[in-house]
Order: sequence, then structure tokens, then C-alpha cells
Amino acid sequence: DTGVSQDPRHKITKRGQNVTFRCDPISEHNRLYWYRQTLGQGPEFLTYFQNEAQLEKSRLLSDRFSAERPKGSFSTLEIQRTEQGDSAMYLCASSLWLNTEAFFGQGTRLTVV
Amino acid sequence: GENVEQHPSTLSVQEGDSAVIKCTYSDSASNYFPWYKQELGKRPQLIIDIRSNVGEKKDQRIAVTLNKTAKHFSLHITETQPEDSAVYFCAAKSEGQNFVFGPGTRLSVLP
Repeated sequence: DTGVSQDPRHKITKRGQNVTFRCDPISEHNRLYWYRQTLGQGPEFLTYFQNEAQLEKSRLLSDRFSAERPKGSFSTLEIQRTEQGDSAMYLCASSLWLNTEAFFGQGTRLTVV
Repeated sequence: GENVEQHPSTLSVQEGDSAVIKCTYSDSASNYFPWYKQELGKRPQLIIDIRSNVGEKKDQRIAVTLNKTAKHFSLHITETQPEDSAVYFCAAKSEGQNFVFGPGTRLSVLP
């Protein structure tokens, strides 16, 4: 499968724990995006990278969220001290650096109990 | 920043009828407008897109129109089929920025 892959697909964690998700983009794609989606809503922007540089981070993103793309390939999204409101589907997408379509991964569904 | 609105939030049509979903955007710098289809439990998948130098684009039963002056774009699905039932998202993007998505339209095609 040469598409965008995310791991894990599902994560259940207790409130207060830290979680980390991984995204592997399509190999030649320079841009990598993280979105969060709750039931019945459109994807909400979190952050995006061009190669290894984090170019934008949503103002809605609390300091508990951090993302990295150390070598310009895969990316990780970490949530510290999880809260119940963090429960959502976390989607990763990648695209070429030009204004082209974004391909989405299957997402990581996070449930905070 | 960019803001994308989408209407209607739900849409039910009879099989064979047409469906139209409309989106408006706020940032005149936006120049790329994709439409995604998301089936239950699956990832969003691109179905059609349009760039600001084009007013209309068609792909079989699906078409998108763009009015840059009014800052709105629409998705048209003709001869709807039950497998068209899904949630549809529009998005707007300007060069160097992220994709901003609308809240989605749940389309139900009734047999």
C-alpha cells in the first residue's frame, strides 16, 4: 500500500496519560498535515509541515499537543495529559508542495476514558 | 484566516435525481477547491477539485462550479445512486496555506 498510513488505528487511554500517533506520508510528498475530526464535523486543522519544518500550528491547539517530522518523512503527534475532550479521529494527510490534492490516511481514533 | 461554510448540512434525494451542495469561502487568496467524500468509518477521499483559473469542471456524473467574484463553489451530482450516500466536504486553500474544510453535508440517496 503506497498511500498514507497511520498507526495505531485505535487508541484507548486513561485521562492524564500521554499518547503518540505516527503518520507515514506518501513518499514523494513534501507536505504533511494533521487534522482532528469529531463526529458530524469537518476536519479541523491542527498543524502542517513542509519537509521537516513546521510551518503553521492552529491557535486552537493547546500546549499539550506537539508534532514533529524530524527527517521530513514520517511525523508524530503527541498529546500530553490527555483530556476527555481530546477524544476524536486524528487524520494525517500529505500532498506535494504545490497546490495539489491532499491524500488522507485512515486516521487514529482516540478515546480518552 | 479562511472560513468555509457549507449548505445544506443534510440532503436527501431520490435515486436518479440530482444533488447540489454549496460552499462559500472568505479569503480571496484561496485558489484551490477540492471536494472530498467520506463514507462511514473511512478516510476522506478526493472526488473532484477545481482551481481558480477555471469556472467549471466535470467528471462523469460529478461537476464543480466556481464563482470567484461571489466566493462560492458548488458540487453537482447527477443521476444519483445509493452508493453516492456519504458525507461530502468542501475545502479551500491558498498557496502556502493549509486546507480549510467546510462542516460537511450528509447526502442520503433514497432507493
